[in-house]
Amino acid sequence: KAGVTQTPRYLIKTRGQQVTLSCSPISGHRSVSWYQQTPGQGLQFLFEYFSETQRNKGNFPGRFSGRQFSNSRSEMNVSTLELGDSALYLCASSPRTSGANTGELFFGEGSRLTVL
Amino acid sequence: QQQVKQSPQSLIVQKGGISIINCAYENTAFDYFPWYQQFPGKGPALLIAIRPDVSEKKEGRFTISFNKSAKQFSLHIMDSQPGDSATYFCAAAQGGSEKLVFGKGTKLTVNP
Repeated sequence: KAGVTQTPRYLIKTRGQQVTLSCSPISGHRSVSWYQQTPGQGLQFLFEYFSETQRNKGNFPGRFSGRQFSNSRSEMNVSTLELGDSALYLCASSPRTSGANTGELFFGEGSRLTVL
Repeated sequence: QQQVKQSPQSLIVQKGGISIINCAYENTAFDYFPWYQQFPGKGPALLIAIRPDVSEKKEGRFTISFNKSAKQFSLHIMDSQPGDSATYFCAAAQGGSEKLVFGKGTKLTVNP
């Protein structure tokens, strides 16, 4: 079974630009979450989607948005990029069907964003 | 407000030794406590997890100890190996959500 696939793996943007990151979950997984990882703040939760519905959102400004498609693939977008948005953005999928969390997140290798 | 505090920040252990990483949480609504292992250039991978109805869970060389009254949990790695050298994150979650609150991580180095 293929793992979680994130594209692009690396990208460089300048301040003020926007970026879209893509995530393909493990086949059959309908739950997708996004996390931001930085040396200073560690791993921070961004969003959680299940069957195209956002179930949870982290404490990030409105410049950060996401969505999930009917095939469970997900995208996140960051508009008006700031230097502090430089980070590794990780997508994770879960075999969760409904109800309580499974807690078992399968992470991709991440998209490393550098903002200059 | 950091809801999960992890220590130590870094840890050096000799091969065959025991590695111990500790975490403390504040939110009593947390009901799921996983540990993730991350190698450089890779995403975190679930190592072992525990729910608060048990005080200990063991999987191979990895053991989680959980103290509900103290709101603390720890990871013990027995017979540590150089291949265990990685960054370890504790985390906590609340029922019904896949939202994990992570500790800041512990960089473990196991010397041969």
